[in-house]
Amino acid sequence: TQLLEQSPQFLSIQEGENLTVYCNSSSVFSSLQWYRQEPGEGPVLLVTVVTGGEVKKLKRLTFQFGDARKDSSLHITAAQPGDTGLYLCAGLGGADSGGSNYKLTFGKGTLLTVNP
Amino acid sequence: ETGVTQSPTHLIKTRGQQVTLRCSSQSGHNTVSWYQQALGQGPQFIFQYYREEENGRGNFPPRFSGLQFPNYSSELNVNALELDDSALYLCASSLGGAFSYEQYFGPGTRLTVT
Repeated sequence: TQLLEQSPQFLSIQEGENLTVYCNSSSVFSSLQWYRQEPGEGPVLLVTVVTGGEVKKLKRLTFQFGDARKDSSLHITAAQPGDTGLYLCAGLGGADSGGSNYKLTFGKGTLLTVNP
Repeated sequence: ETGVTQSPTHLIKTRGQQVTLRCSSQSGHNTVSWYQQALGQGPQFIFQYYREEENGRGNFPPRFSGLQFPNYSSELNVNALELDDSALYLCASSLGGAFSYEQYFGPGTRLTVT
């Protein structure tokens, strides 16, 4: 069974601070995605990383995919209260998906609170 | 362009009952995936439908079943409800095939089983 471990599980910081959240797996995924979910809503796709070592930037958010395509990180610079939410990583495909890319395997998420 | 919509928003059922949840996919998308998200957990894959056929299934019992219609909307049916079925049920639509990694989620249906 493939698992994605996210850390930390909870993070509470002050506005303006930087933070990094991690997503680790023992399995290789064909791609990895990061979502943000707010209370009462579905997850919203932030980014997809496909190539080992890939780095993508989305304004103050920087996403990195590990060289071995098993882990990823999300770094937020100068966090704002609007960044508050549940950050989920999800791997697509992988060893026990029968070679198919249809299945997303999610981690449990990191609940981020940015205090003004 | 219309996003993914789900109905109902909230639902309360009694153990042993049956429930049907509905999902309308984003315009132009032919693939719908269903996920169950328990409180404090990440979403778990239930199954996916592509062009009206089931295209993969997660570790859920047969009492979880689904349908996809010619307009690509979809239903999730759960029979013999159990207390542990209480969760947020999410559907996500995508273009399918090589583009199935870009999944767009609806707001979910919150199911409470008492």
